[in-house]
Amino acid sequence: KAGVTQTPRYLIKTRGQQVTLSCSPISGHRSVSWYQQTPGQGLQFLFEYFSETQRNKGNFPGRFSGRQFSNSRSEMNVSTLELGDSALYLCASSLGAWSSYNSPLHFGNGTRLTVT
Amino acid sequence: AQRVTQPEKLLSVFKGAPVELKCNYSYSGSPELFWYVQYSRQRLQLLLRHISRESIKGFTADLNKGETSFHLKKPFAQEEDSAMYYCALSGLETSGSRLTFGEGTQLTVNP
Repeated sequence: KAGVTQTPRYLIKTRGQQVTLSCSPISGHRSVSWYQQTPGQGLQFLFEYFSETQRNKGNFPGRFSGRQFSNSRSEMNVSTLELGDSALYLCASSLGAWSSYNSPLHFGNGTRLTVT
Repeated sequence: AQRVTQPEKLLSVFKGAPVELKCNYSYSGSPELFWYVQYSRQRLQLLLRHISRESIKGFTADLNKGETSFHLKKPFAQEEDSAMYYCALSGLETSGSRLTFGEGTQLTVNP
């Protein structure tokens, strides 16, 4: 079974631009969540989508948004990029059960975003 | 608010020595605790979770609600255990996909 796939692996953008990151979950997984990883803040939850609906949201500004398609693939968008948005963005998929006991997260390799 | 603290950023032990990676949490509800591991050039993956009460790769972790801790232990460390370890928490009141991670502990097992 193929793992979680994130594209692209690397991105370089300039301040003010916007960016879209893509995530393909494991087949059969209906939940996709996104995390930001930085040296200073560690791993922080951005949001989760389940059956095309945002089920959970972290404490990030509205510039960070996402969506999920009917095939469970998800995209994350960051508008008006700031230098501080430079990070590794991780996507994780799961079956989607409310509790992680029955639905552990499977992570992708991430997209490394650099904002200059 | 929920919080996970891993007091050691770096931990170095010799092969065959016992290892303990500390994790403390703060959460007012019913917590679910996990350990995730990231080996060099690999993706983050689940190592174990407290509800399973199982030993994975010789590692165990016991949830101590009194001390709000979930320390990861292994009696005899192996070189292949060298990796970054993250303790994580989710609450039964929120989706299990919303994990709060600790800062991580880089474990190095020396030959």
